[in-house]
Amino acid sequence: GAGVSQSPSNKVTEKGKDVELRCDPISGHTALYWYRQSLGQGLEFLIYFQGNSAPDKSGLPSDRFSAERTGGSVSTLTIQRTQQEDSAVYLCASSQAIHYNEQFFGPGTRLTVL
Amino acid sequence: ILNVEQSPQSLHVQEGDSTNFTCSFPSSNFYALHWYRWETAKSPEALFVMTLNGDEKKKGRISATLNTKEGYSYLYIKGSQPEDSATYLCAFRSNDYKLSFGAGTTVTVRA
Repeated sequence: GAGVSQSPSNKVTEKGKDVELRCDPISGHTALYWYRQSLGQGLEFLIYFQGNSAPDKSGLPSDRFSAERTGGSVSTLTIQRTQQEDSAVYLCASSQAIHYNEQFFGPGTRLTVL
Repeated sequence: ILNVEQSPQSLHVQEGDSTNFTCSFPSSNFYALHWYRWETAKSPEALFVMTLNGDEKKKGRISATLNTKEGYSYLYIKGSQPEDSATYLCAFRSNDYKLSFGAGTTVTVRA
């Protein structure tokens, strides 16, 4: 595609439910990044992928969060047993390679946990 | 979590005036310093990626400087226009490839 796409654009869920957020990076980009912005907060790095591998998962907020990437393309961020503090905008970005600095961001998924 | 600070948090500028704001970041394990522009309801847009001490980058009326030894970068907007209204984010990239963002400087340009 022409740019990074994310789905859904908005997700409202009830506390305790699981959610999956999807990111489609720019075709050919091997590096993919997940961030989130909670209300009133700055952008928080969550995890990055180089190909299908995530070398460092320490940025994930809790063990309820997991992410995977398959085929070096699409990535899903899964949040289990959602809590109200998980409400945020989740942004995905991709870059041509991990050492290429410029990252291209998707439009984000706004998650609201009631 | 690395300490990346931006100041001021917000500023209001009259159309035609010039302005600048600051990003401070750790001076160790430096890989790159990013500037992004983020308009409401849009994705962050990359403005500059700066890697070398003393780097100066320019894009139209917007420019940036970098001092890696003392850990700061300035973003300048010359002759501000209403379309420059946005939140400007800086992000420090350490040599483990992680990005740590500042909270942003929100610029509002008054016509």
